Amino acid sequence: EPEVTQTPSHQVTQMGQEVILRCVPISNHLYFYWYRQILGQKVEFLVSFYNNEISEKSEIFDDQFSVERPDGSNFTLKIRSTKLEDSAMYFCASTDGSTDTQYFGPGTRLTVL
Amino acid sequence: RKEVEQDPGPFNVPEGATVAFNCTYSNSASQSFFWYRQDCRKEPKLLMSVYSSGNEDGRFTAQLNRASQYISLLIRDSKLSDSATYLCAVNPTGTASKLTFGTGTRLQVTL
Repeated sequence: EPEVTQTPSHQVTQMGQEVILRCVPISNHLYFYWYRQILGQKVEFLVSFYNNEISEKSEIFDDQFSVERPDGSNFTLKIRSTKLEDSAMYFCASTDGSTDTQYFGPGTRLTVL
Repeated sequence: RKEVEQDPGPFNVPEGATVAFNCTYSNSASQSFFWYRQDCRKEPKLLMSVYSSGNEDGRFTAQLNRASQYISLLIRDSKLSDSATYLCAVNPTGTASKLTFGTGTRLQVTL
């Protein structure tokens, strides 16, 4: 069964450093998403991406965040200058658009020290 | 009012019990509804979509009440392996839009 994959599974970084989180969505899917979940809190939407551009973003997704689809398979989330409060699980999701069902990757745990 | 609201629990039930969770949503124009299951520090895994007519998948039954703006999940004959957090998710605006999640309801099934 096709799956969304994410790398790395765990990233530790120093405050102020840039991080890039990587995702490979399911191959025939066209819509891609990033969500985050701070420990003990709910899953929160960050950004959606379709046809090589951002289709929607939340208030969390400020100028420190960016997304890119650098090739036909990868979908990345970059945080330019990490803050302590960016520590969270970051989930990538995708859907083919025929339904609204989104499939989630296993997540990257980001720890900012 | 929160966009999507769930009782956080925990619900502690013995094996074999029937348990029901509710989830309310604030946007009456919401289009699609889902239940996801999340194990500790893992990703949300789709349990089932929720249709207007209600739908069943084995021991799991989901219902949607648009008039009262809530969805429900019923688990019959609970198993130890059902222990997890159950997340309600709502697509507020339509095709391939974001999902808005509730905080989740934690279920612990015991012997």
